[in-house]
Amino acid sequence: SQQGEEDPQALSIQEGENATMNCSYKTSINNLQWYRQNSGRGLVHLILIRSNEREKHSGRLRVTLDTSKKSSSLLITASRAADTASYFCATDPTLTSTGNQFYFGTGTSLTVIP
Amino acid sequence: NAGVMQNPRHLVRRRGQEARLRCSPMKGHSHVYWYRQLPEEGLKFMVYLQKENIIDESGMPKERFSAEFPKEGPSILRIQQVVRGDSAAYFCASSPLAYEQYFGPGTRLTVT
Repeated sequence: SQQGEEDPQALSIQEGENATMNCSYKTSINNLQWYRQNSGRGLVHLILIRSNEREKHSGRLRVTLDTSKKSSSLLITASRAADTASYFCATDPTLTSTGNQFYFGTGTSLTVIP
Repeated sequence: NAGVMQNPRHLVRRRGQEARLRCSPMKGHSHVYWYRQLPEEGLKFMVYLQKENIIDESGMPKERFSAEFPKEGPSILRIQQVVRGDSAAYFCASSPLAYEQYFGPGTRLTVT
């Protein structure tokens, strides 16, 4: 399977703490993206990191990519209750001829306790 | 600019009936993708369409499922003779050919 796999499956932290989620994948990729999904809602795109990038920041989000280990991490700093959601990584593998086709993992369920 | 619209949001069908799910992409987006999310699982790619063309349907079951994206109107994902295993959330995403895909709120299909 080309899908990304997130770890841990579930994470529960206190408000203000940092949350770290990891994603591993199996094939070479063009880029990797992180999405958030609130319960019962659609996905929201958070951040994209290209295969030639190692780290990217967006507000309280920090994403790293290690292509040698085929892994990525998403760090949410100073978490808030509103960050409670499921987080998915999605990979765009280089072998996909049509491009723009993403493979999603099963997600990490994050609960931030007020 | 309105986001990706999907309707209905919830759909209940009895086994053997047909389900039609609609997706209106964001304005200016000509690429549409359908994904299925089974309970407790991640999203799985089903089909990628451009206007009037199916580009990649490698993730779509060969029987009972079909998709279209006509020149005018929304993209339609059609499931004939639904079975209980079709119960899932179906998400549509659109793209202007950039890497980001913009997702709709999803349609939750329940087959009774």
